[in-house]
Amino acid sequence: EADIYQTPRYLVIGTGKKITLECSQTMGHDKMYWYQQDPGMELHLIHYSYGVNSTEKGDLSSESTVSRIRTEHFPLTLESARPSHTSQYLCASSEQWTGAVSYEQYFGPGTRLTVT
Amino acid sequence: KNEVEQSPQNLTAQEGEFITINCSYSVGISALHWLQQHPGGGIVSLFMLSSGKKKHGRLIATINIQEKHSSLHITASHPRDSAVYICAANYGGSQGNLIFGKGTKLSVKP
Repeated sequence: EADIYQTPRYLVIGTGKKITLECSQTMGHDKMYWYQQDPGMELHLIHYSYGVNSTEKGDLSSESTVSRIRTEHFPLTLESARPSHTSQYLCASSEQWTGAVSYEQYFGPGTRLTVT
Repeated sequence: KNEVEQSPQNLTAQEGEFITINCSYSVGISALHWLQQHPGGGIVSLFMLSSGKKKHGRLIATINIQEKHSSLHITASHPRDSAVYICAANYGGSQGNLIFGKGTKLSVKP
């Protein structure tokens, strides 16, 4: 069974606050992802990581930042939250992509963020 | 541009009906994924396939490489199948990242 966790599940916060969304996985996966999803819309990749000390920007520009100090942990930070950041944020992980084989992604339950 | 197109966007069915959701993609994929997203937001991977057909319970996924098309079938549909079904593709130049379709919202009525 996939073990990937996100906290908090729901967060309502005021404009200008700094927030960190936590994501942890216990599967030992090297590759991790952050997606943003507005209601009724498709998933957009905002950040990904190949492993410790690796972070890359995804297809959708985002004001958030990420870090990868430990394999199992991939937090996402917004330095100053704004109403436009209101969305659902989903974390995922997978085996490392080798170019020859594709791997299933395992998703966390998501964090629903509302910035007032 | 690498794209994934799904149809229909919305689908309502009566319990017991056979359901088909379609997905088309551009050339050069290494794998095609079908995902399920329930109203609570969590996403579960249903299938990953690069050729042929896979079956799990009442769910069947097929892919036709020549036509660049995949289908997800649900036999004997049940209200608990109500969810958004998402098609996603691994393209060769995407470093293993997925390109997602917009999803098909399925509602199965009792």
